[in-house]
Amino acid sequence: EIVLTQSPGTLSLSPGERATLSCRASQSVSSSYLAWYQQKPGQAPRLLIYGASSRATGIPDRFSGSGSGTDFTLTISRLEPEDFAVYYCQQYGSSTRAYTFGQGTKLEIK
Amino acid sequence: QITLKESGPTLVKPTQTLTLTCTFSGFSLSTSGVGVGWIRQPPGKALEWLALIYWDDDKRYSPSLKSRLTITKDTSKNQVVLTMTNMDPVDTATYYCARTPRRVAGYFDYWGQGTLVTVSS
Repeated sequence: EIVLTQSPGTLSLSPGERATLSCRASQSVSSSYLAWYQQKPGQAPRLLIYGASSRATGIPDRFSGSGSGTDFTLTISRLEPEDFAVYYCQQYGSSTRAYTFGQGTKLEIK
Repeated sequence: QITLKESGPTLVKPTQTLTLTCTFSGFSLSTSGVGVGWIRQPPGKALEWLALIYWDDDKRYSPSLKSRLTITKDTSKNQVVLTMTNMDPVDTATYYCARTPRRVAGYFDYWGQGTLVTVSS
């Protein structure tokens, strides 16, 4: 089973700053099957990025995803107040046909 | 407009079986490629994928929970049902259903609001 490790656990930044969130897999993941979600308190997760770098419908272009193999990154170029939330990476294993999520990164206002 | 909504008991006793229903609209589970899955989240913790069923009745389960889970669909009612046996307090969580748009999409694009299930005697 592939384990996804997200870092840092908590990231404290100010609006206007750049955020870089990391997701590391225990073994190589197909870029086609790496996604990122945003979750705000009391809400369901929202799909941000799929296929490692494709933005979902309606997602602002300040959100971008990159990476391959075992290392993936979600970047928020310029933080808006509404961006402070918890972010999860998720992978789909084409051989196992199972989904796994990372433990999340909390992005908080500094 | 695509929507999903979970329903079921808010409280179950240990050892009981949990049955949750996901009722959706705006898409059909008879459309090639589409799937509906279940994901849960214990209070203050991370997301955990549980199961998924595709339009052709292909089913996938979390390896760690496979023995306790059953997922079924009723295409005519636009519903997906998840049963989980032998519930334990550690199964206390918000349970979400979510759609995957095609078999090898590898992501969930629409989610329900979630339903909190508490396991307690």
